This record gives sequence, structure tokens and C-alpha cells, in this order.
Amino acid sequence: EDKVVQSPLSLVVHEGDTVTLNCSYEVTNFRSLLWYKQEKKAPTFLFMLTSSGIEKKSGRLSSILDKKELFSILNITATQTGDSAVYLCAVPEYGNKLVFGAGTILRVKS
Amino acid sequence: NAGVTQTPKFQVLKTGQSMTLQCAQDMNHNSMYWYRQDPGMGLRLIYYSASEGTTDKGEVPNGYNVSRLNKREFSLRLESAAPSQTSVYFCASGQGLAGGGTGELFFGEGSRLTVL
Repeated sequence: EDKVVQSPLSLVVHEGDTVTLNCSYEVTNFRSLLWYKQEKKAPTFLFMLTSSGIEKKSGRLSSILDKKELFSILNITATQTGDSAVYLCAVPEYGNKLVFGAGTILRVKS
Repeated sequence: NAGVTQTPKFQVLKTGQSMTLQCAQDMNHNSMYWYRQDPGMGLRLIYYSASEGTTDKGEVPNGYNVSRLNKREFSLRLESAAPSQTSVYFCASGQGLAGGGTGELFFGEGSRLTVL
């Protein structure tokens, strides 16, 4: 059965720290991997990755995919309290279903 | 631009009652989805509709029914609510991966349902 596994489940850091969130996946017919950020309400889209080794970057956030080892990482540098959220990784299955991991809860302390 | 709108935002039910969650999107997306989110379990797919006129089960369909009323609207019905259905429900829509699509989903604000 296809699955998406994220680690760690939760993380507490201080402002200014750098964090790395992990997502491993097992899915047939892989096409893409997506990262979302969820604060109090609906998840919001961060990145979509389709090719190995090509880093996607948005400000202090960056992400990369390794299709050989079947994982992706999301890096956040110089963390701020506003980065506190649940970070979700997802992979589309056949039929356009998006399968999510359990998420990583990140708390940034000031 | 409203995006994905779902109602109600909050609902309290007694065991055995029925209710329908409504969802509408104005982005002309083909695919629509209903997820539930429970603590520590991420988002789990209940049902989805890849296109108007079709619906399919996701990971956790038991106790739910859906209707894709038209391209814009996708409703979720609980026929006889149970305490295990206490959760936050999210509706989402997207274009999928066909035609170079990203697979990105756009989410509604969520509906918090409590079944006593």
C-alpha cells in the first residue's frame, strides 16, 4: 500500500535555529511530492518537487527531492515564531488522490 | 475570489443525527475532495470526485456519503453520526496532474464537527 511517512512528529527549536523536516514515500508511479504549511486553519501550498536534486527555494524555506532514496527534506533557516505550524508532505496517487503524511509539528520559541 | 467555501464552520450533533457538509469552489477545478483531520494523523481522504459525475472512496469512507452536484459543488453527508466522526473536515479542489497540472490542492477553511 502506498504511504507517506514524516519525521520527526514534533520539534521545538529557538528562534534563529535551522530545522530539517523529513518525508519518505512509497508510491507506485511517482509523479510529484508536495509540501504544505498548516497554521490554524487550512493547509497552504509551499512547494512541488518532481525532479531529483533540484532545490526549490522560497525565502528561508527550501526543499529537495531524492527519487532514488525516495525521500524529500524541507529546510527552514533562521527560524522565526511565525514558522510555528504543522508541515505536511503529500504525494499524488493514481486518480489524482493526494495522500498526506501525519505531519511534523514545529514550534519556534522566542 | 472566494476559492473553496465550506459550511458550516462548526456543528455539534448527537449520536444518530444526520447532517450534510457543503462545499463549493469557484476555480473551475475538475477534482474535489473531502478529508478529515484528527490529531497526529494528518489528513485522511474520505471521498473524492475526479470529475463531475464521478465519485470514489478514499482511505476512510465508512459512515459517509457524497454527492457531486455539479462541477462547483461537492457535499459530504453523515447519515447517522457517531462519536468517532468527531473531527475537522476539509474540502479541497484541484486540477490534478493531467495536462501538466501540479497536483496542488486548494483547501477550504475547515468544518469542526463534534458528535456527542
